[in-house]
Amino acid sequence: DIQMTQSPPSLSASVGDRVTLSCRANQSINTYLNWYQEKPGKVPNLLIYTASSLPSGVPTRFSGSGSGTDFTLTISSLQPEDFATYYCQQSYSLPYTFGQGTKLEI
Amino acid sequence: QVQLVQSGPEVTKPGASVNISCKASGYTFTHYYMQWVRQAPGQGLEWMGIINPSGGSASYTQNFQGRVIITRDTSTSTVHMELSSLRSEDTAVYYCAGGSGSYRGPMFHWGQGTLVTVSS
Repeated sequence: DIQMTQSPPSLSASVGDRVTLSCRANQSINTYLNWYQEKPGKVPNLLIYTASSLPSGVPTRFSGSGSGTDFTLTISSLQPEDFATYYCQQSYSLPYTFGQGTKLEI
Repeated sequence: QVQLVQSGPEVTKPGASVNISCKASGYTFTHYYMQWVRQAPGQGLEWMGIINPSGGSASYTQNFQGRVIITRDTSTSTVHMELSSLRSEDTAVYYCAGGSGSYRGPMFHWGQGTLVTVSS
């Protein structure tokens, strides 16, 4: 199975900050990397797919980049509703796997 | 619009099985792969498996040691996930998710989640 490692495990930031979250795969996954946002008691939400594509309805302050083994999720200007846990997931090779998450805290 | 509606919460005992359904609407059922993900209390997301609703073939993570089976019923546009030999560690919220015509696609749409509680 492909192992996904996210860093940092948690991150403290303030409204208006620019933050970057990292995700690394232990083998190349091309650009088959997706990012999900999860809030307590809510259904996870797709933020970025195939490393850099933004689904409709997701604010443009979210962006993703990377290919191969190293990927980043950037939030250009944190909003109060962005404080959540973020997971990367590879969909290159079955079984698909998630990273352990990065918790973004105020 | 795409909707995935899951069956209700379950309380069950260790050793038993649970079957969760996920009824799809708003699109042609056979066009989008369906995946299952779970989240135990205080834990991260765990990918369980995927099914091609068109042909019915499924693939699973080996983490469940063969305890999970995903099937589909095209007549009712419903995907089922059965988890057997339940343990207390299987207490979690289970989600169906899909919305992509590619087996490598992301999970655009999610069900509301089904809480399964395993307790003696």
